[in-house]
Amino acid sequence: DVKVTQSSRYLVKRTGEKVFLECVQDMDHENMFWYRQDPGLGLRLIYFSYDVKMKEKGDIPEGYSVSREKKERFSLILESASTNQTSMYLCASRWDRGPGNIQYFGAGTRLSVL
Amino acid sequence: GQNIDQPTEMTATEGAIVQINCTYQTSGFNGLFWYQQHAGEAPTFLSYNVLDGLEEKGRFSSFLSRSKGYSYLLLKELQMKDSASYLCALAGGYQKVTFGTGTKLQVIP
Repeated sequence: DVKVTQSSRYLVKRTGEKVFLECVQDMDHENMFWYRQDPGLGLRLIYFSYDVKMKEKGDIPEGYSVSREKKERFSLILESASTNQTSMYLCASRWDRGPGNIQYFGAGTRLSVL
Repeated sequence: GQNIDQPTEMTATEGAIVQINCTYQTSGFNGLFWYQQHAGEAPTFLSYNVLDGLEEKGRFSSFLSRSKGYSYLLLKELQMKDSASYLCALAGGYQKVTFGTGTKLQVIP
């Protein structure tokens, strides 16, 4: 079974803090993704990576950065957390075999910024 | 860009059949996904349609009509465990998947 693991299920941070969300997958997938999920807005793509050290902006990259130093790990960084970044964050991964490939999701990290 | 519309909520009775619609406006796409997401859990893959027509997989079927900009997910013999959100998503250009806002289905006894 494919496993995508996010380091925390719940996280509470203060405004201005630097926040790291970690995601690890165990299936040697090339592609990894970070989404945020908000009521009424659905899943929105923040960043994705198609290979080690490669990254591409998604639809809402402002206020975020990412790091992919190893194939299995994709980190989302909030340089200076703000209250509007309170959300559910979902990581996903998949093989690089075309757009029809299934994305496998982690269980999510619910981040609250106070 | 891509615009995807789904009903926000639906309610159906255990044992019944329910159809969840998804309409979209897009300049082009490769295929259409359906994912299921139980409350507090990760989305999980249900189906992927590339060609027009109906794809059946057990109690779940998915239909696509590219000319009408329309898809639906059909759930038969509803069970209480089918209560979840159902996400429609378009597979666009390289690596890009765009999700709709999801339909929350409640199955009642």
